[in-house]
Amino acid sequence: EPEVTQTPSHQVTQMGQEVILRCVPISNHLYFYWYRQILGQKVEFLVSFYNNEISEKSEIFDDQFSVERPDGSNFTLKIRSTKLEDSAMYFCASTWDGGGPQHFGDGTRLSIL
Amino acid sequence: RKEVEQDPGPFNVPEGATVAFNCTYSNSASQSFFWYRQDCRKEPKLLMSVYSSGNEDGRFTAQLNRASQYISLLIRDSKLSDSATYLCVGKEGSQGNLIFGKGTKLSVKP
Repeated sequence: EPEVTQTPSHQVTQMGQEVILRCVPISNHLYFYWYRQILGQKVEFLVSFYNNEISEKSEIFDDQFSVERPDGSNFTLKIRSTKLEDSAMYFCASTWDGGGPQHFGDGTRLSIL
Repeated sequence: RKEVEQDPGPFNVPEGATVAFNCTYSNSASQSFFWYRQDCRKEPKLLMSVYSSGNEDGRFTAQLNRASQYISLLIRDSKLSDSATYLCVGKEGSQGNLIFGKGTKLSVKP
């Protein structure tokens, strides 16, 4: 069964550094998403992406965040100047038609020191 | 504010028991609903979509009541492997983001 894959599985970064989280969505999917989950809290939407542009973003997705689809397979989340509160699990998800259920990757655990 | 509310549990049940989870949502514009399960420190995995007519998948039955803005999940003959956190999820619009509840933790004991 096709899967969403994410790398790295765990990223440790010093506060203030930039970090790039990578995702390979399912190959024929057209809609891509990033979510995050702070330890012990609920999963929160960050951003959705379709047709090479952001469709929607939450209030969490401020100017320190950006997304990119640099080629036909990767979908990246960049966090500039990381803060301690950015420590969380970051999940990438994709779907074929936008209306159906989203399929999640197994996440990147980001630890900011 | 768009919210999905769930009883956090935990629900501790013996194997073979029937257990029911409930969920309410605040945004009547939400068009689609799902139940996901999440194991500890893992990604959410789709369990099933939820339809107004009610739908069943093996031991799992989901129901949506739009008038009451209420969603339910029933698990029959629970197994040890059903132990997980069950996430009630709403979706906004045709390309919309998912809005997650905090989840209900289920522990099935031998």
